[in-house]
Amino acid sequence: QKEVEQNSGPLSVPEGAIASLNCTYSDRGSQSFFWYRQYSGKSPELIMFIYSNGDKEDGRFTAQLNKASQYVSLLIRDSQPSDSATYLCAVIGPGGFKTIFGAGTRLFVKA
Amino acid sequence: EAGVAQSPRYKIIEKRQSVAFWCNPISGHATLYWYQQILGQGPKLLIQFQNNGVVDDSQLPKDRFSAERLKGVDSTLKIQPAKLEDSAVYLCASSRGGQAAIRSYNSPLHFGNGTRLTVT
Repeated sequence: QKEVEQNSGPLSVPEGAIASLNCTYSDRGSQSFFWYRQYSGKSPELIMFIYSNGDKEDGRFTAQLNKASQYVSLLIRDSQPSDSATYLCAVIGPGGFKTIFGAGTRLFVKA
Repeated sequence: EAGVAQSPRYKIIEKRQSVAFWCNPISGHATLYWYQQILGQGPKLLIQFQNNGVVDDSQLPKDRFSAERLKGVDSTLKIQPAKLEDSAVYLCASSRGGQAAIRSYNSPLHFGNGTRLTVT
């Protein structure tokens, strides 16, 4: 079992819709959870992080964490074509030592 | 604040040759990471430094890869000899890291532009 799993997609949504990206992790002791966005040919850039159960909102983005289910998600409201990118879920494991990435989900927002 | 600097941006070498990548982290960031990202995959951690000590290098192919971080600032990653499967983007990242120890619970990574390596 991979440590951090994401659906590779592609996920295609129309402009203005809500995009829902999901991530599961294997180590129950994982501490912090990050979402990075990576445009084609570019480096990952941080969107937001979450470390407590529940929802965290930042503009059009909402991260959701459920530690009991070992599940973290990212919702993008009012999706724009400029949101088209690969979204990487990253997890800091027990002890806070390593940041491990999932394979990423490719999102396409159709104008 | 200046970002993470990496060089070169691109490198093409033949298999069995050697190559080196350089990274300068954000000033004051104690933790430095080298990731390998193969096309279509997520970044894979090769090595993590806290100041000039190695925190994790469990996925570094030590028979051909080496890395150092002198004086706890700049870092170099070397591959010798290169194989075809080493073709990838090599990403350097840095983070503030935790207090005193090497924990990084809420320290996001700041990435450089990466080096795209092609081995022919």
